[in-house]
Parts: sequence; structure tokens; C-alpha cells
Amino acid sequence: GAVVSQHPSWVICKSGTSVKIECRSLDFQATTMFWYRQFPKQSLMLMATSNEGSKATYEQGVEKDKFLINHASLTLSTLTVTSAHPEDSSFYICSASGNNQETQYFGPGTRLLVL
Amino acid sequence: LAKTTQPISMDSYEGQEVNITCSHNNIATNDYITWYQQFPSQGPRFIIQGYKTKVTNEVASLFIPADRKSSTLSLPRVSLSDTAVYYCLVGSNTGGFKTIFGAGTRLFVKA
Repeated sequence: GAVVSQHPSWVICKSGTSVKIECRSLDFQATTMFWYRQFPKQSLMLMATSNEGSKATYEQGVEKDKFLINHASLTLSTLTVTSAHPEDSSFYICSASGNNQETQYFGPGTRLLVL
Repeated sequence: LAKTTQPISMDSYEGQEVNITCSHNNIATNDYITWYQQFPSQGPRFIIQGYKTKVTNEVASLFIPADRKSSTLSLPRVSLSDTAVYYCLVGSNTGGFKTIFGAGTRLFVKA
């Protein structure tokens, strides 16, 4: 149980384009989803927290207009990197938590490379 | 926010028991302690979670002293495939799960 998927697993795009990453909870209802970014050899950095049906809460320093988060249902959250630039290249990981869960379950991650 | 501190790295040999300790001095009353394992280019994988005393599952044990200001992840008889980064996280659903990842501990298991 408690499986979280991400799609795509990797993506290469040109600078200036937008990329959408999906995060799905496959066997539970995720009332809260989290988006993290991880650079090589570094720890995970929380970007934003989203609750189903409400606006995401972004961490300090994360541009909400650049990283659009939509948590439209209890099983799906999307992260859109708008006007991507090479410095946005990173490993993006989502996690999800259900209403009565004290645990975050993580997706497998999405590798983004912006050329 | 409960900040966590772990050793940066540890080395071990196959078959040994490995104990990784995490400090979380400002843990809140509602916070749980969760340990994750991460391999390169993968998302963190849940290992074990506890609130107090001792918790054991099929892969690890978690020891939490009475003051809950630290916790120790115990991996029995490690193998080469246990080489990974291990993170301890402190947080709770009631607290909005506001958690900050520390640097983690890089465990390297040698033959």
C-alpha cells in the first residue's frame, strides 16, 4: 500500500518551454501533497505544500508564478515549471500524505534537464 | 520546526549491525520520527516510524529515548545493497507536516 507515482520519470526540454510533472497517489487519498527539488549530492529541498482544493503554500525563495502547483483531486497533483531555464534542471520529487496518516510517501522522482 | 542532525557519513562491512543516530532537540509533542532510505536518482523510501520507545519491523528497529530528543535507526546485518543515504524526519500531520530534510547520512557498506 501507499504507492505514489510520478510521470514522466525524466524529461528534456528546450529553454523557455513549460514542463508539467504529475504526481499520483495510487491506493490512498492524498489530502496533502508536497513537492521537493534535489540537486546532485544534496538533500531534498521542500518547494511547496498543497492541500486538495486549495492554493499551494510555497517555501521562501520559491517563485509561485514559475512553479505552478495544482492539487485538483485527492489523487493527483501537478507541478508545472514555466519558462524553464537550465538552472531549473534538477530532480523533482513529490510526496503524499493521507488524512489519518503520519507519514509522507514519496514518488520515484522526475529528472528534468533544460537545454 | 524540528531541525535534525545526523552524521554525514558512515562506513560498515557486510553482516554488521549499523546504528545511525539523529538528534532532534526541539521535537514537538505531536511529532513522529520517520526514517527514509534513498538510492541515487530515486525517491526516498519509507523504512520505519515511531513516536516513543522502540519500534521494530522486518527491516529495521527504531529506538527513541524517553525525552525524544534523539532517535537511533538500527539496521541488522547490512548488505552491500544497503549502501544509500538515510534521512530522519520529524513532523506530524496535525502540524501540517512541516518538515525539513537534513543532510542525511551516507552509509557505505563494504564487502
